[in-house]
Amino acid sequence: SQTIHQWPATLVQPVGSPLSLECTVEGTSNPNLYWYRQAAGRGLQLLFYSVGIGQISSEVPQNLSASRPQDRQFILSSKKLLLSDSGFYLCAWSVDGPTFRRETQYFGPGTRLLVL
Amino acid sequence: AQKITQTQPGMFVQEKEAVTLDCTYDTSDPSYGLFWYKQPSSGEMIFLIYQGSYDQQNATEGRYSLNFQKARKSANLVISASQLGDSAMYFCAIKRNSGYSTLTFGKGTMLLVSP
Repeated sequence: SQTIHQWPATLVQPVGSPLSLECTVEGTSNPNLYWYRQAAGRGLQLLFYSVGIGQISSEVPQNLSASRPQDRQFILSSKKLLLSDSGFYLCAWSVDGPTFRRETQYFGPGTRLLVL
Repeated sequence: AQKITQTQPGMFVQEKEAVTLDCTYDTSDPSYGLFWYKQPSSGEMIFLIYQGSYDQQNATEGRYSLNFQKARKSANLVISASQLGDSAMYFCAIKRNSGYSTLTFGKGTMLLVSP
């Protein structure tokens, strides 16, 4: 069966410091991978998605970046954190077709980031 | 563009009763998928149920069922026999018929189940 891991679970960082959040998926090959952010009491905002190694698409321009160095690894980074980067970061995976049901996204446990 | 509207910020239900969480959507795509997720206080998003736009029958998964009314563009989640563990945020999402699998989420409904 497939599992998805995220770490760290919780992170407190000062403004201006770098960030690296990691997501790995087990039990599937060539997954689509996603990074979402959820501000307190809000819905999910898609930040990045990737359909393959080295292929990253950005949905929202910001000071965050993403990389996919391996098939089942997805990394979210920042060189200098802002206060507004605080939130709950969720990684998700899916596979392609042939039906929408087959393309269901499954989420990891998330990382709570607090920038002070 | 697609849009999901969840008009109920919060809902209260007593244990063992049924509850309906509303979701309306807007899309110009003829083919789409609708998903419901549960987010407990731990934060993880848990997939609950799926409904395809061309599915003839309403989806059911255990105590969860989907009241799909395509002409009204609504996909309400019905939870039967509520349990204390059902207390959580619930999100409705839509996937359009595009080259990659992207979801548009609503803002969610907080459900509180009381004893």
